[in-house]
Amino acid sequence: AQSVTQLDSQVPVFEEAPVELRCNYSSSVSVYLFWYVQYPNQGLQLLLKYLSGSTLVKGINGFEAEFNKSQTSFHLRKPSVHISDTAEYFCAVSEVGSGNTGKLIFGQGTTLQVKP
Amino acid sequence: DSGVTQTPKHLITATGQRVTLRCSPRSGDLSVYWYQQSLDQGLQFLIQYYNGEERAKGNILERFSAQQFPDLHSELNLSSLELGDSALYFCASSVGRVVTEAFFGQGTRLTVV
Repeated sequence: AQSVTQLDSQVPVFEEAPVELRCNYSSSVSVYLFWYVQYPNQGLQLLLKYLSGSTLVKGINGFEAEFNKSQTSFHLRKPSVHISDTAEYFCAVSEVGSGNTGKLIFGQGTTLQVKP
Repeated sequence: DSGVTQTPKHLITATGQRVTLRCSPRSGDLSVYWYQQSLDQGLQFLIQYYNGEERAKGNILERFSAQQFPDLHSELNLSSLELGDSALYFCASSVGRVVTEAFFGQGTRLTVV
């Protein structure tokens, strides 16, 4: 069975500072990896995804993430955050190959609070 | 705008009642997924339909059922509602059976009183 652990439930950071949101996963098979963002009272928006290839993935709004297979991690980073980045961030995995049923397994979420 | 439309946005109903949540996927997407988001359980996968057929099932209660119609819209039926069913219900869609990218609607907030 797959599982996703987001290591921080809340991350407070000052505007223009760098930030890293940590995500570890557990799976017996290869996975696809995703980061989603949820703004208040809105649905989830895809920030970036890792399917294959380069382990450094760039997404929207200046975010990037690095897939580390040996550490089973997929940490999300941004070099300089803005107030508008305040939101809930979710890491998710799905199984690769014939076992892929479309099921996304989500972490519990990390609240990013950007302070002026 | 993800292109996934969910109605209604808010729903308040009493315990024991039945409700239907509706989802229209993005144009061209054949898969529809339903997720439940609650404070204690987080985001939980309920069920997936692909081109009208059930493809995968998660921790969906027997009181809940879903279907996908020929025009690809989907409905999630929740019956014998309990207070604990209060949650945000999301629909998502993707092009194929395999989820390499899923687009989420804005959700239906269900409150059971």
